[in-house]
Amino acid sequence: DAGITQSPRYKITETGRQVTLMCHQTWSHSYMFWYRQDLGHGLRLIYYSAAADITDKGEVPDGYVVSRSKTENFPLTLESATRSQTSVYFCASTSGGVNTEAFFGQGTRLTVV
Amino acid sequence: KQEVTQIPAALSVPEGENLVLNCSFTDSAIYNLQWFRQDPGKGLTSLLLIQSSQREQTSGRLNASLDKSSGRSTLYIAASQPGDSATYLCAVKDSSYKLIFGSGTRLLVRP
Repeated sequence: DAGITQSPRYKITETGRQVTLMCHQTWSHSYMFWYRQDLGHGLRLIYYSAAADITDKGEVPDGYVVSRSKTENFPLTLESATRSQTSVYFCASTSGGVNTEAFFGQGTRLTVV
Repeated sequence: KQEVTQIPAALSVPEGENLVLNCSFTDSAIYNLQWFRQDPGKGLTSLLLIQSSQREQTSGRLNASLDKSSGRSTLYIAASQPGDSATYLCAVKDSSYKLIFGSGTRLLVRP
C-alpha cells in the first residue's frame, strides 16, 4: 500500500530495554522525520534525515538513535528505554521540494514501565 | 531558533459559527506553512499548505492565509460543524526542511 506506515502501533516495554520503532514510506521522499508528542509539549523533533545515510539531531535527540540505510526506511531506536520516553511517536516524510506537503504515519504509542 | 505559537489553546463554539484559528512564527525565513488536523488518538491529516509566495489557500470551508513578513497565519473555518471538532496544528517548513510545530488549538463545535 502506498503511504507511510509505522510499526508497531502500540508497544509496552520495560525500563532499560532496547526498542526499535519502524517507519516505512513508499514515495521515495528524501526527507524523513521522527517526532514525539506529549501533553503540554506538542510535537517535538527527535531526529531527521535528508537522504539515505544522512541524519541530524532535532530538538530532543538524547536517548535515541536513528539510521537510514535505505531511502524508504527510517527506524528509531531507544537504546535503554526510560519512563520519560513514554510518548506517542510520529514518523513523517516529505520530498525535497520547498513547496511540498509533509505526510505523517499513524503513530506508535510507546509505554515504558 | 524558530518558534511557533498557536492561540487560542482551546476553543468551544456553537455549530454554524465561523471561526478563526491563529498561528504565529518568529522567523520569516520559511518555505511553506502547513495546517493539520488531528483527531484524538490518531495521526495528523494535512489540510492546507501555503507556499511562502502565496497569501492564501482554500479548500472547501477552509481558508488559510499567510503574512510571512509579520509571521502570521490564520485558518478560517466557515459554518462550523460538530465533525470539525479536533486539534488543529500549524507547522512551518524552515530553511533546513524541518517542520516546526505549534502546540495546537483544540476545537469543540457544540451541536
